[in-house]
Amino acid sequence: DVKVTQSSRYLVKRTGEKVFLECVQDMDHENMFWYRQDPGLGLRLIYFSYDVKMKEKGDIPEGYSVSREKKERFSLILESASTNQTSMYLCASSPQGANYEQYFGPGTRLTVT
Amino acid sequence: TQLLEQSPQFLSIQEGENLTVYCNSSSVFSSLQWYRQEPGEGPVLLVTVVTGGEVKKLKRLTFQFGDARKDSSLHITAAQPGDTGLYLCAGGPGGGADGLTFGKGTHLIIQP
Repeated sequence: DVKVTQSSRYLVKRTGEKVFLECVQDMDHENMFWYRQDPGLGLRLIYFSYDVKMKEKGDIPEGYSVSREKKERFSLILESASTNQTSMYLCASSPQGANYEQYFGPGTRLTVT
Repeated sequence: TQLLEQSPQFLSIQEGENLTVYCNSSSVFSSLQWYRQEPGEGPVLLVTVVTGGEVKKLKRLTFQFGDARKDSSLHITAAQPGDTGLYLCAGGPGGGADGLTFGKGTHLIIQP
């Protein structure tokens, strides 16, 4: 079974802090994604990566950056956390050409106070 | 921009009843996935449909892809409390690198 793990299930940070969210997948997938999920807004794509050291902006990249130094690991960075970044963050991975199926981690519930 | 509209947004029914939820778009998708998400967890892939008119069954769940590959439905027979969750449909491609377009989901509650 595909396994996608995220470093924290719950995280509380203060406004202005730099926040790192880590995601690791164990199935050698090429593509990795970061979403945030908010009530009434659904899943929104923040960034994605289709290869090591490659990254592309999604629909809402402002205030975020990413890093992919190894194929299995994709990190999301909040440069200076703000209260409007309080959300559920979901990481996903997918293999190339597999009908676009994505496999999600359990999510990180981030609260910025 | 591709959009997927899911209906109904909320549905609460009694255990044992049947239900159908819908996923509609004006765009053609090469594949469509259904996911179920439980509170506090990530979405879990249920099924992928790729051929227009395709029907797939997963125990009491029946998924259908429209002939024109623009819409899909999920039918649950004899719903059980364990079916409770957020059901998301997603169509591909919806962005770069095998991205998906997600609907906002149907919140389903099955009451015992």
